Amino acid sequence: DAGITQSPRHKVTETGTPVTLRCHQTENHRYMYWYRQDPGHGLRLIHYSYGVKDTDKGEVSDGYSVSRSKTEDFLLTLESATSSQTSVYFCAIRGLEDTQYFGPGTRLTVL
Amino acid sequence: AQSVTQLGSHVSVSEGALVLLRCNYSSSVPPYLFWYVQYPNQGLQLLLKYTSAATLVKGINGFEAEFKKSETSFHLTKPSAHMSDAAEYFCAVRSSNDYKLSFGAGTTVTVRA
Repeated sequence: DAGITQSPRHKVTETGTPVTLRCHQTENHRYMYWYRQDPGHGLRLIHYSYGVKDTDKGEVSDGYSVSRSKTEDFLLTLESATSSQTSVYFCAIRGLEDTQYFGPGTRLTVL
Repeated sequence: AQSVTQLGSHVSVSEGALVLLRCNYSSSVPPYLFWYVQYPNQGLQLLLKYTSAATLVKGINGFEAEFKKSETSFHLTKPSAHMSDAAEYFCAVRSSNDYKLSFGAGTTVTVRA
């Protein structure tokens, strides 16, 4: 257990509404990541952070933004949710020996 | 850039039989390779990893994987399947010069009694 929590764990929202997902870690890790998981695609990197206020894009960043104002929190925002963003979202941290450890996930449904 | 291909999206095995999950990678630099397992409605849990030390890597729950550079493969095996092995398995690769993972599409394992 790498001390990662995600909130909310489940969310249903409507197309066009903003949504923010939160990832919280308790062990002061520098690197944090947001992935989405979809059937047939495995996990795909959305954005990642390498320090407070330091973020970069992953392979599927369109429609998403992130913020990291504190070491322990990494926020993922969908400015205007679309049905194609229905997915399971996982947060991860880079821990010992450069290994990534994952949170429990957030299941997001956009109607 | 690196990528991973997992051969077979579904594998069904009998309890007690060999489990073999195939993973091939491409990477322009020496890779770091990982296998993760995901049980229903849970996050991903690390099974094992290869980081350029021993080519045969032992992980948790009786799983092991062998890195074969000539075949660009990192197949996962377990000699005797247990009902509790039913899950989805993901292979992932990270190049040695950054910290981003690229995942395969996953293989779902079903264990028959």
